Amino acid sequence: QKEVEQNSGPLSVPEGAIASLNCTYSDRGSQSFFWYRQYSGKSPELIMSIYSNGDKEDGRFTAQLNKASQYVSLLIRDSQPSDSATYLCAVLTGGFKTIFGAGTRLFVKA
Amino acid sequence: GAVVSQHPSRVICKSGTSVKIECRSLDFQATTMFWYRQFPKQSLMLMATSNEGSKATYEQGVEKDKFLINHASLTLSTLTVTSAHPEDSSFYICSATRGGGTVISTDTQYFGPGTRLTVL
Repeated sequence: QKEVEQNSGPLSVPEGAIASLNCTYSDRGSQSFFWYRQYSGKSPELIMSIYSNGDKEDGRFTAQLNKASQYVSLLIRDSQPSDSATYLCAVLTGGFKTIFGAGTRLFVKA
Repeated sequence: GAVVSQHPSRVICKSGTSVKIECRSLDFQATTMFWYRQFPKQSLMLMATSNEGSKATYEQGVEKDKFLINHASLTLSTLTVTSAHPEDSSFYICSATRGGGTVISTDTQYFGPGTRLTVL
């Protein structure tokens, strides 16, 4: 079992729809969770971090964390073609090591 | 802000030469810097973790004598690819975490823009 798992996609959604990206992790001692966006040929950029169970909203982005079920998700409302990218889930494990998922490719169709 | 720069952004070199890549935290002190490598359409691969003033910790399978890392100050880490070969061609990305503060404020990684290395 991989430490951080994401569906590789591609996930295709129409413009204006909600894109839902999911991530599961194996280390129950993990405390910090991050979503990064990576455009092709570019380095990752931080979108959101979340540390407590529940939802955290920032503009069109909402991160959701459920530690009991060991999953974290990212919702993108009103998806735009410019949101088309690979989204990386990252988890700071109980051993203080950040593990990145392989990423989910998102395509937003105009 | 938390800005991390890398230099050069792109380098082309001949096989057998060495290439140095610099990673700088511009507006914060970085106690820890990380070096990643990413091949086309693949995920980030952590190469090593670098703490200021101490030896880098390399991931399994990464040759420390080939990928030399120096973290001489709280704002600068360098990666030197020695005797580069075509198979070393990749996208090298560094990231940094802030120093001090609570665990929550120090664990976020901020990425540099990356260096694309092509070895002919």
